[in-house]
Amino acid sequence: DQQVKQNSPSLSVQEGRISILNCDYTNSMFDYFLWYKKYPAEGPTFLISISSIKDKNEDGRFTVFLNKSAKHLSLHIVPSQPGDSAVYFCAARSFYGGSQGNLIFGKGTKLSVKP
Amino acid sequence: NAGVTQTPKFQVLKTGQSMTLQCAQDMNHNSMYWYRQDPGMGLRLIYYSASEGTTDKGEVPNGYNVSRLNKREFSLRLESAAPSQTSVYFCASRAAGGGQPQHFGDGTRLSIL
Repeated sequence: DQQVKQNSPSLSVQEGRISILNCDYTNSMFDYFLWYKKYPAEGPTFLISISSIKDKNEDGRFTVFLNKSAKHLSLHIVPSQPGDSAVYFCAARSFYGGSQGNLIFGKGTKLSVKP
Repeated sequence: NAGVTQTPKFQVLKTGQSMTLQCAQDMNHNSMYWYRQDPGMGLRLIYYSASEGTTDKGEVPNGYNVSRLNKREFSLRLESAAPSQTSVYFCASRAAGGGQPQHFGDGTRLSIL
């Protein structure tokens, strides 16, 4: 039973347009949600996070939206650039049920931004 | 500014061999983690150490042991490697504090024949 789901394995977007990456979760006790970006042969790099008490967090071209009633979050990248081409992982954190605040990751979405 | 350093970067083992993956962080972080990533999968937690002197099992601990040698170093040991342990292994660390993210090393690519 996946607690964090990224249902789109891949996404292709034209340079300059908006990229929207989606993530669904099942555990209402998650208190923080994070997005990581991963290039081939490198480790994941932290991109942006959002607390469960907020519904939006923005950092430059990156905005994360959280819809708690739908248990859904999305990452918007505007405008998309070829250097954004990478695998994006959604992750969620909970301190309940003995999870000690560890992260649970989705399977990732591969974003390709075409020039 | 090394961050999280993992050694080695690549390794090929034969079934039954043992191996220790090394991880060191220079950010004075309290918590450290070991993950594995398999094709088409997210990162799955093997073991973690919330602070120096403590270690706990994650989601997939079978076949692995860990040692938190000091605050900087957290090693992962495969006592008797199996082909199912072929994977990319990532180490991460995190500072104390509510919203602090984990910071990852570049991984160790391990193949077991």
